[in-house]
Amino acid sequence: QLQLQESGPGLVQPSETLPLTCTVSGGSITNSKYYWVWIRQPPGKGLEWIGSVYYSGSTYYNPSFMSRLTISVDTSKNQFSLKLKSVTAADTAVYFCASTGTYYDQFDPWGQGTLVTVSS
Amino acid sequence: AIQLTQSPSSLSASVGDRVTISCRASQDISSALAWYQQKPGKPPKLLIHDVSGLGGGVPSRFSGSGSGADFTLTISSLQPEDFATYYCQQFRTYPFTFGGGTKVEIK
Repeated sequence: QLQLQESGPGLVQPSETLPLTCTVSGGSITNSKYYWVWIRQPPGKGLEWIGSVYYSGSTYYNPSFMSRLTISVDTSKNQFSLKLKSVTAADTAVYFCASTGTYYDQFDPWGQGTLVTVSS
Repeated sequence: AIQLTQSPSSLSASVGDRVTISCRASQDISSALAWYQQKPGKPPKLLIHDVSGLGGGVPSRFSGSGSGADFTLTISSLQPEDFATYYCQQFRTYPFTFGGGTKVEIK
């Protein structure tokens, strides 16, 4: 059974880079069925798709983040990562990692989420 | 980007009630729609895939319907564990987008 777990700093300074990692267990990140996904949810608000990565490294990004965003995969560690540059308070959110593969381009399962606060 | 508009944004209902939630897309998305249920402090859970398919372990009181640009999530008989926020999501084109959510509260 596929499981995902986010990790990263809970607090990031404004203008700095937000780094997050998602560790995949119960399956291989190189499984060709899956895309690996980042989604966020500001406190009390709705869900926003950030971007997706395939095990080969090919990516799809939300244009809202395009210039600030890098999503990558580390097959040796069975992990994928997000880096969001030049963060502001508006980037404060719970960040979820998820996968698609159970059902095409639909998110299942999800990690538990990690709250990242951007503040000095 | 395709916009998804959910209505209502919130509703109050009693146990046993039939509940319907609407999701309208800004353009035709064919059958590329999913529904998620989210409870406080938890990640969303895939409820309905591909408009009308039940996600794993999802009770049969949940159903989805629609096509094109108009979709509906129905709970046939609301149970205490169904009080949550529900989101629709389109995967017809990138960027994938979600509706604003519908919060189902206890009357």
